[in-house]
Amino acid sequence: GEQVEQLPSILRVQEGSSASINCTYENSASNYFPWYKQEPGENPKLIIDIRSNMERKQTQGLIVLLDKKAKRFSLHITDTQPGDSAMYFCAASVNTGNYKYVFGAGTRLKVIA
Amino acid sequence: EAAVTQSPRNKVTVTGGNVTLSCRQTNSHNYMYWYRQDTGHGLRLIHYSYGAGNLQIGDVPDGYKATRTTQEDFFLLLELASPSQTSLYFCASSDERLFFGHGTKLSVL
Repeated sequence: GEQVEQLPSILRVQEGSSASINCTYENSASNYFPWYKQEPGENPKLIIDIRSNMERKQTQGLIVLLDKKAKRFSLHITDTQPGDSAMYFCAASVNTGNYKYVFGAGTRLKVIA
Repeated sequence: EAAVTQSPRNKVTVTGGNVTLSCRQTNSHNYMYWYRQDTGHGLRLIHYSYGAGNLQIGDVPDGYKATRTTQEDFFLLLELASPSQTSLYFCASSDERLFFGHGTKLSVL
């Protein structure tokens, strides 16, 4: 199986609070996990990624966690701002061989001022 | 950042019509991809390729053909378009990180 499940599908948070998005994957060979942000009318853009040799990665206001045993990874946005409102997609890839990316269905994040 | 250019940006056709979507990348990436994006389904992989002349089947290939003519150019072909193929189509190239084009909005009436 190669599906990626992403939850929640819709997330509303107050400005300044944290937002968390969770993804699970099926393919135990997956070794690369990017997150993409897509604003209305735009293409998805990479915001952070993590490889399977790491459990945590942080950049600016973003934290990603990876639990390989549970086949679960998550994105945490700290101190959310209205500009964080967007669609977010997680993906999993086996980056040895065929570089095939499987995406979650997306989370629509709305940050309320 | 890699440049991925899609054309056209918008396309309207009728059921049974013949459509070709074009994608060009200028960063010499080996891998190129065609995805469709639909509400509730996210990005679903149609076809992908790791070089000129190569084609790999994605997860939702029915009704689509693709051809990679050069390192730079990847085409998606709908030979008998159906309303179910109304969608937003994204091309992407990869050096491990995926870089997306700006999309083609296709409407099949």
